[in-house]
Amino acid sequence: QLQLQESGPGLVKPSETLSLTCTVSGDSISSTSYYWAWIRQPPGKGLEWIGNIYYGGSTYYNPSLKSRVTISVDTSKNQFSLKLTSVTAADTAFYYCARLQYPRRVMGAFDFWGQGTMVTVSS
Amino acid sequence: DIQMTQSPSSLSASVGDRVTITCRASQGISHSLNWYQQKPGKAPRVLIYAASSLQSGVPSRFSGSGSGTDFTLTISSLQPADFATYYCQQSYDTPLTFGGGTKVEI
Repeated sequence: QLQLQESGPGLVKPSETLSLTCTVSGDSISSTSYYWAWIRQPPGKGLEWIGNIYYGGSTYYNPSLKSRVTISVDTSKNQFSLKLTSVTAADTAFYYCARLQYPRRVMGAFDFWGQGTMVTVSS
Repeated sequence: DIQMTQSPSSLSASVGDRVTITCRASQGISHSLNWYQQKPGKAPRVLIYAASSLQSGVPSRFSGSGSGTDFTLTISSLQPADFATYYCQQSYDTPLTFGGGTKVEI
């Protein structure tokens, strides 16, 4: 059974870099049928897509965050990671990693999600 | 960016009711529309993908319809487990965007 697990600090200081890793088990991150994504949700608010990465390294980012975001993949560890620089209180949110369907080279739904991890930006 | 507008933002219903949630895209997105259910403290889970395809393991009381700009999620007979927040999401183009959510309450 596919599982995704986020890990990383729960508290980050303003202006510093938020770093999270998603470990994938039960499937290979090198599958050609999926992208791997980060999504966030401020407490009590809606969902915001951050970006996707393919096993080969190609990425898509949300333009609203693009200047601050880097998503990378480590196929040897079956992991992918998120870095968000220059964080502010507005970046406080639950951060989810998820698998994005990519059948026939077309993006589909986020069909598996990690449980999420809360990241608070505060001094 | 493609804006996704859900209505209503919340609704009250009873067990056994038929519930309909709508989602409108700011431009045509063909059938590239997905629906999610989220319960408090949990990650979202996909219910419907490609506008009308039922995700494996999802009860058949959930159904989706629509194409272009207007889409609907229907729960044919509301069950206690269905009280949650529902989100639509377009996968037609990046940035991938979600609707604002519909909270279904007792």
